[in-house]
Amino acid sequence: GESVGLHLPTLSVQEGDNSIINCAYSNSASDYFIWYKQESGKGPQFIIDIRSNMDKRQGQRVTVLLNKTVKHLSLQIAATQPGDSAVYFCAEGDYKLSFGAGTTVTVRA
Amino acid sequence: GAVVSQHPSWVICKSGTSVKIECRSLDFQATTMFWYRQFPKQSLMLMATSNEGSKATYEQGVEKDKFLINHASLTLSTLTVTSAHPEDSSFYICSARQRDVSSYEQYFGPGTRLTVT
Repeated sequence: GESVGLHLPTLSVQEGDNSIINCAYSNSASDYFIWYKQESGKGPQFIIDIRSNMDKRQGQRVTVLLNKTVKHLSLQIAATQPGDSAVYFCAEGDYKLSFGAGTTVTVRA
Repeated sequence: GAVVSQHPSWVICKSGTSVKIECRSLDFQATTMFWYRQFPKQSLMLMATSNEGSKATYEQGVEKDKFLINHASLTLSTLTVTSAHPEDSSFYICSARQRDVSSYEQYFGPGTRLTVT
């Protein structure tokens, strides 16, 4: 079965606002986590990753937070844009990846 | 850099026929390639792990005789769906890991949409 999961299947956000997408995982030994963006009919696109020895990592407009105590991962997108509309997956694994169910983000103009 | 391509991008075939999907790493050598299947509005499910020069390792529940995987070179892996049936209709996605790189990152292809009629 899946070792990662997302809290909400859909998220609607106003353009310009910040988005937060959540993910829970069950394996306390998990060492590597990744967030992917998938647009309709395309393959997953890497957004950002984080190792278990970190609790925060920032990229361009994105931040990933890792809380190992409660086994929770989140992706924050700053100033959400229409191009951010997609399905977002968290994944876990340093060799074989296990994907969560996905959150569909819709950006309202 | 680190581009993965798939061919074809979509294919329609008749029930009972076989279909081959190619996955290529265009600008790097891939020791390991992975094959995933994704049904509509669902997540990616790992089907098998393919290492160059060796037999693929299949996930539980995936029929190895139905989904034939060949990884003949460091830049090419193929997935052949044999005797396809309508329930095999899905989005098939491959990914590749770079050879001799400590990064865990996998690079994904654009996917192949298979429709079996």
